[in-house]
Amino acid sequence: GAVVSQHPSRVICKSGTSVKIECRSLDFQATTMFWYRQFPKQSLMLMATSNEGSKATYEQGVEKDKFLINHASLTLSTLTVTSAHPEDSSFYICSAKSGGGGYTFGSGTRLTVV
Amino acid sequence: QKEVEQDPGPLSVPEGAIVSLNCTYSNSAFQYFMWYRQYSRKGPELLMYTYSSGNKEDGRFTAQVDKSSKYISLFIRDSQPSDSATYLCAMSGAGGSYIPTFGRGTSLIVHP
Repeated sequence: GAVVSQHPSRVICKSGTSVKIECRSLDFQATTMFWYRQFPKQSLMLMATSNEGSKATYEQGVEKDKFLINHASLTLSTLTVTSAHPEDSSFYICSAKSGGGGYTFGSGTRLTVV
Repeated sequence: QKEVEQDPGPLSVPEGAIVSLNCTYSNSAFQYFMWYRQYSRKGPELLMYTYSSGNKEDGRFTAQVDKSSKYISLFIRDSQPSDSATYLCAMSGAGGSYIPTFGRGTSLIVHP
C-alpha cells in the first residue's frame, strides 16, 4: 500500500531556532500534500496544502512566514517552523492523497520547543 | 454547527463486544467517507473508505454510509484490546483536490 515517510519522529529544539520536518511519498507521486497540527485529544487541524512546484495554500490564521512549506518534487514536501517558540510545541502530521478516495498519513513529528 | 460531528468518548467496551462508532455531517457535497485509526503519538492509519452510500466490509470492520441522513458508522466485531485507539472519521467531496474534513475522533478502550 501507499506509504508516507515523515522525519524526524521527535525533535526538541531551543526557542528561537528553526526546525525542518520532511514528508516523503515512498511508492507514489503526490502532487498535493497536506500539513496538519494536532493538539492532545483534539482532531487534526489543517495548516496548509502543499502543491508541487507552486506556493502552498495556508489556512486562515496560520502564519505563512512562520511555517514555511516547500514542495520541490512529486515525492517530497517540507515544513520548516521558523523561530520556534514553546507555543509551537505540537504534533505535526503530513498526508497525501494516495489513490481512490483515501489519504495516507505520515507517522507524525512531535515538536517540543524549550 | 461543525461540518463533521463525532463524539469524543471515551467509549469503553469489554473484549469481544461489537463496537459502533458514528459521525454526522452537514455538507451534502461529501462523496468520500473514510475511517482512520490513530494510536497514541502516531499518525492516523486509513482503515476503510467508501464512496457515496452503502456498506463496505473488511474483516472485522464494516463501514456504513447513509447519505440521506448524513450519517456514517464504523462497526468493529469481536473487538480486541489491540483495537484500543482513537478513531477518526473523515470525508471529502469528489475531485483530487477536495480537502478532507475530519471529525475530532472517538477514543475507544477495549478492556480484557
